[in-house]
Amino acid sequence: EVQLVQSGAEVKKPGESLKISCKGSGYTFSTYWIGWVRQMPGKGLEWMGIILPRDSDTRYSPSFQGQISFSVDKSIRTAYLQWSSLRASDSAMYYCARYEQALGTFDYWGQGALVTVSS
Amino acid sequence: EIVLTQSPGTLSLSPGERATLSCRASQNVKSDYLAWSQQKPGQAPRLLIYGTSHRATGIPDRFSGSGSETDFTLTISRLEPEDFAVYYCQQYSESPWTFGQGTKVEIE
Repeated sequence: EVQLVQSGAEVKKPGESLKISCKGSGYTFSTYWIGWVRQMPGKGLEWMGIILPRDSDTRYSPSFQGQISFSVDKSIRTAYLQWSSLRASDSAMYYCARYEQALGTFDYWGQGALVTVSS
Repeated sequence: EIVLTQSPGTLSLSPGERATLSCRASQNVKSDYLAWSQQKPGQAPRLLIYGTSHRATGIPDRFSGSGSETDFTLTISRLEPEDFAVYYCQQYSESPWTFGQGTKVEIE
């Protein structure tokens, strides 16, 4: 069974750094793109970008370029989303999702990780 | 960037009724790369339809998708109580991938 399990909720202060994780299981982790999606409170879904674990090929949405970074650790089948300096406006739910090329869409989603940034 | 505009914003219907949700794109979307997902409160999105009209694994046949180029439709033939949720269309045809703003299907 394909599963993406994300790390837990985080509460941070503005200016702090943060790295959240997404662990894949039940499939060949390295060969599927992993995407990240933001959902601000009460709002819709926003695509942040994708990373291919096999070689860390990364594509960022222009809206998020320079504000976040993606990484992976293939040895533990985990993808990461990282901020070096959080802002209050980064408070949101963040989802990881697997991109299935044969379907041309995200087919499995993590449960989400809530990030709260507040002084 | 391809902008997806969903209508209506909210659809108020009763169980058993038919729901028709629209997704209009600002430019042509390749049919293979238009999908629909369902999101319930406190849950992650769930894939319903991929490639415009193909149901994902385990999705009941009351859900169907159609359309081409700039106009796409999700139809729920007879609403079940568990279908009341928010529905998003998404395009993976061109980067940046984009989502519609969502249509909420609520109980009338």
